[in-house]
Amino acid sequence: EPEVTQTPSHQVTQMGQEVILRCVPISNHLYFYWYRQILGQKVEFLVSFYNNEISEKSEIFDDQFSVERPDGSNFTLKIRSTKLEDSAMYFCASSSDTLYEQYFGPGTRLTVT
Amino acid sequence: AQSVTQPDIHITVSEGASLELRCNYSYGATPYLFWYVQSPGQGLQLLLKYFSGDTLVQGIKGFEAEFKRSQSSFNLRKPSVHWSDAAEYFCAVVASTGNQFYFGTGTSLTVIP
Repeated sequence: EPEVTQTPSHQVTQMGQEVILRCVPISNHLYFYWYRQILGQKVEFLVSFYNNEISEKSEIFDDQFSVERPDGSNFTLKIRSTKLEDSAMYFCASSSDTLYEQYFGPGTRLTVT
Repeated sequence: AQSVTQPDIHITVSEGASLELRCNYSYGATPYLFWYVQSPGQGLQLLLKYFSGDTLVQGIKGFEAEFKRSQSSFNLRKPSVHWSDAAEYFCAVVASTGNQFYFGTGTSLTVIP
């Protein structure tokens, strides 16, 4: 069964550093998403991406964040200058169409020290 | 604004007992509702979804959920719980104006022998 994969599973970085979280969505999917889950809190939407551009973003997704689909398979989330409060589990998801079920990856745990 | 409430943070049931996990939503129009399950170290797996039609929906692993518009609820049920059902369960609603999911805070299920 096709699945969404994410690397790395755990990333530790120092405050102020740039991090790139990587995702490989399901191959025939067209919509891509990033969510985050701060420990003990709910899963929060960050951004959706379609046709090589951002289609929707939340207020969390400020100028420190960017997304990219650098090739035909990867979908990345970049945090330009990490803050302590960026520590969270980051989930990538993909879907074949809007409103269709989103398939989630296992997540990347980001720890900012 | 859309929101999802899962009033039970943690539930413990005996193996073989029935289960009901509560979910209430706040949304102005007809919602699209989902239940996801997250096992430790895993991504979010879709259990079932409601878009329209029959208000009782069947999902994978023997789960079902009933949409009750009058109560703004979408409770998840299973008649007989298995030890492998121990996990975190998330209810989610999709905004009709976009494709971002709004998740509840989750209910952690423990199954005792």
